[in-house]
Parts: sequence; structure tokens; C-alpha cells
Amino acid sequence: GQQVMQIPQYQHVQEGEDFTTYCNSSTTLSNIQWYKQRPGGHPVFLIQLVKSGEVKKQKRLTFQFGEAKKNSSLHITATQTTDVGTYFCAGVTQGGSEKLVFGKGTKLTVNP
Amino acid sequence: EAGVVQSPRYKIIEKKQPVAFWCNPISGHNTLYWYRQNLGQGPELLIRYENEEAVDDSQLPKDRFSAERLKGVDSTLKIQPAELGDSAVYLCASSFTSGRGFYEQYFGPGTRLTVT
Repeated sequence: GQQVMQIPQYQHVQEGEDFTTYCNSSTTLSNIQWYKQRPGGHPVFLIQLVKSGEVKKQKRLTFQFGEAKKNSSLHITATQTTDVGTYFCAGVTQGGSEKLVFGKGTKLTVNP
Repeated sequence: EAGVVQSPRYKIIEKKQPVAFWCNPISGHNTLYWYRQNLGQGPELLIRYENEEAVDDSQLPKDRFSAERLKGVDSTLKIQPAELGDSAVYLCASSFTSGRGFYEQYFGPGTRLTVT
């Protein structure tokens, strides 16, 4: 079935370093959403990308959607301890029966 | 504005016992989702409702799982009988959907189920 792969699975950085997580789909997506889940918490919506090649920024976070709409990335500049958590991408498949499929997430830890 | 409410927050049962989870979505949200999240994994969709209609239940294990959203507001997810492999966090989410597509989802705190 439809799969959304996310890498890396884990990332440990020093505070102030940058961080990037990548999301890849085997098929073309209608759009892609990103969520953040803090330890012990629930997923919280960050953003949705719809257009091919779209780039959106939220303060230190930059989200990109690939030209072929099969991949996406989330980049955090100068990480802070508040960025700790697991970042999930969720891709929406194209076609008659659209489905939202979550990746396994990238768990980010930040060393102060 | 109140968020998505779920109860109970935690549940421990023995295998073969039944269990039920309840979810009250954000007021005005017509779409409701039930997810299962295993440790270290992303949420896996079990069922999606638009109002009272189940529009996607393709991943719901229908031999033991059932769900309902009778009045298009709150929803109940049931497992009967529970198996050891059902231990997970069950998340409910809601969104306001206009037309086709997926929109920003608001998740509840989840119910952590442990089957012994």
C-alpha cells in the first residue's frame, strides 16, 4: 500500500545547530502536512503544502514540497531546546479515494 | 475554545475483554478520525467520518473493532475482544472539511490502552 518514508529516524543535535528531516513517497501526493509531537503529547499541526515546489516559512522552520510532489522536507535553523519532539509528515495520496498516510517520524533531541 | 476531548486517558484490561473509547470533537468540526499509534510509529488511520458517515474504514479490523458516530458529533470506538497486540495509544482527531481533501487536524490527548 501507500507508504511515506521519513529519514532520519532519530537526530541528536547541539542547541544552535540546524536540523532537517526528509519525507519521501513512492507515489505523487496531492498535498502534505507536517505535525510535531512533544514527548508524552499528541500531534500538533504545523503546516500544509499543496503546490509543486512550494516553500513556506514559520520563524525558524522552513518547509518544502518537491517539484514532483513526491518528497518534502522540514528544516529548522538554530535549534532550541523547545524544538524537542517527533516531527511527522503526512502525505495525502492522489486519486479517487484519497488517504492521509503518516510517516514514522523523526525524533529530535537537542542538547543544551 | 475547547479542544478534542477523549476518555478515558488510560485503560488497562486483560486480553479477551471488551473496551470502549469516547471522543468529543471540536464544536463545528464535521470530520472525525480515529488513529492508532504504536510506540515509535506514526499514527495509523483506523476510520474517518464525515458527519455521521464512515467514509474510510478500510484499515479498521472489522472482526474485533467497531465505531459509531450516530449524531455526527461524538464518537465511540470499541474493541471486542481485545488482544495483546492492541496495546497502543488511540488518538481521536477532528477537522472542519469543506469539499474534498484533508485539512488541518486537531488531535485529542489520546487513550493509552494496555492489554495484559
